[in-house]
Amino acid sequence: GQQLNQSPQSMFIQEGEDVSMNCTSSSIFNTWLWYKQDPGEGPVLLIALYKAGELTSNGRLTAQFGITRKDSFLNISASIPSDVGIYFCAGPSRERPPDNTDKLIFGTGTRLQVFP
Amino acid sequence: KAGVTQTPRYLIKTRGQQVTLSCSPISGHRSVSWYQQTPGQGLQFLFEYFSETQRNKGNFPGRFSGRQFSNSRSEMNVSTLELGDSALYLCASSSLPSGGTDTQYFGPGTRLTVL
Repeated sequence: GQQLNQSPQSMFIQEGEDVSMNCTSSSIFNTWLWYKQDPGEGPVLLIALYKAGELTSNGRLTAQFGITRKDSFLNISASIPSDVGIYFCAGPSRERPPDNTDKLIFGTGTRLQVFP
Repeated sequence: KAGVTQTPRYLIKTRGQQVTLSCSPISGHRSVSWYQQTPGQGLQFLFEYFSETQRNKGNFPGRFSGRQFSNSRSEMNVSTLELGDSALYLCASSSLPSGGTDTQYFGPGTRLTVL
């Protein structure tokens, strides 16, 4: 089935540094979503991308929808301690066959630690 | 607009028991999806309900079931609990069925511990 691979798995950076992470798939996605999850909480939507090549910003966060539609990137500029958490990419999957489902599938996550 | 709410937030059960978790979606949202999150397996899709009908189902045994009510609130049931069912159970709502371009908004989750 469709899978989303995120890299790196984890990052340990100093406050003020910029961060880059990416998400790749062997198949095409029509939408890319980026979520952040704080410990013990549900994921919170950060950015949604709907068009190949699209570049969207949300404050210090910038995400891009890769032109091949098989990847997406998330950048965080000037990181701060509250950026700590797990970042997930996600996209709607349409699997035909065997079960004819379409659902949101999630990447493996990138765990970010920011040190003051 | 109030967000997605899940109750209870924490639950401790023993093996063999059953459990029911509840999710209230954002007002106006008709799609509710359930996910299981564990450190080893990440976020795994359980099932999705839209307008009271189960629309999609993930790869989980029949012990996992759910339903949706006419007000879009959803419940998830796990029978004959096993130790491996310990996880964070997340519910997400959206206005359109997943697979479309609408985004999903998550609740805070229910942390289930099976002893």
